[in-house]
Amino acid sequence: AQRVTQPEKLLSVFKGAPVELKCNYSYSGSPELFWYVQYSRQRLQLLLRHISRESIKGFTADLNKGETSFHLKKPFAQEEDSAMYYCALRYGGATNKLIFGTGTLLAVQP
Amino acid sequence: DTGVSQDPRHKITKRGQNVTFRCDPISEHNRLYWYRQTLGQGPEFLTYFQNEAQLEKSRLLSDRFSAERPKGSFSTLEIQRTEQGDSAMYLCASSLAVGANVLTFGAGSRLTVL
Repeated sequence: AQRVTQPEKLLSVFKGAPVELKCNYSYSGSPELFWYVQYSRQRLQLLLRHISRESIKGFTADLNKGETSFHLKKPFAQEEDSAMYYCALRYGGATNKLIFGTGTLLAVQP
Repeated sequence: DTGVSQDPRHKITKRGQNVTFRCDPISEHNRLYWYRQTLGQGPEFLTYFQNEAQLEKSRLLSDRFSAERPKGSFSTLEIQRTEQGDSAMYLCASSLAVGANVLTFGAGSRLTVL
């Protein structure tokens, strides 16, 4: 069965430090993975998707099929990056049925 | 168009009562999804529509839950005979059926069952 695992509930770093939010997945098909972010008192929104291979707000994520991982990285954290981050896997063909991980709260300290 | 709208934002009800949530998607989006999020968890898929057709329902959606999208625009999610375990954030999202195919979420409707 498909599954998304985010092992850290909370990641606390200082401003300027590198950030890596971990995400591992289990899926028998061809995976399509996303990172969604929820800032305080805002709605859930897409941060990036692996097929776009782009950097958004300085964040990047590379799909590693060998390790079944899709970790989110940023070289220098900013206070405004503090938010809840969810990794998600699309399954069920050409639909937007997503399985989300439990989320990681990133807290960037000044 | 201000994105995906959900109403009400908060609902407190007593166990056994019925509640209904409404979602207005982005107007040009023909797909509409309902997700549920409980405390400490990520959102879980409940059901989705393409236009007015309900194409799939998760096994999480018990018989007490019913969703409609009668004219292919707004959708309602009704929960009958609410239970305390129904307390959650109910999220609506919409997307195009083709193209970028990315979900846009609403702010959610928070249900508290006493």
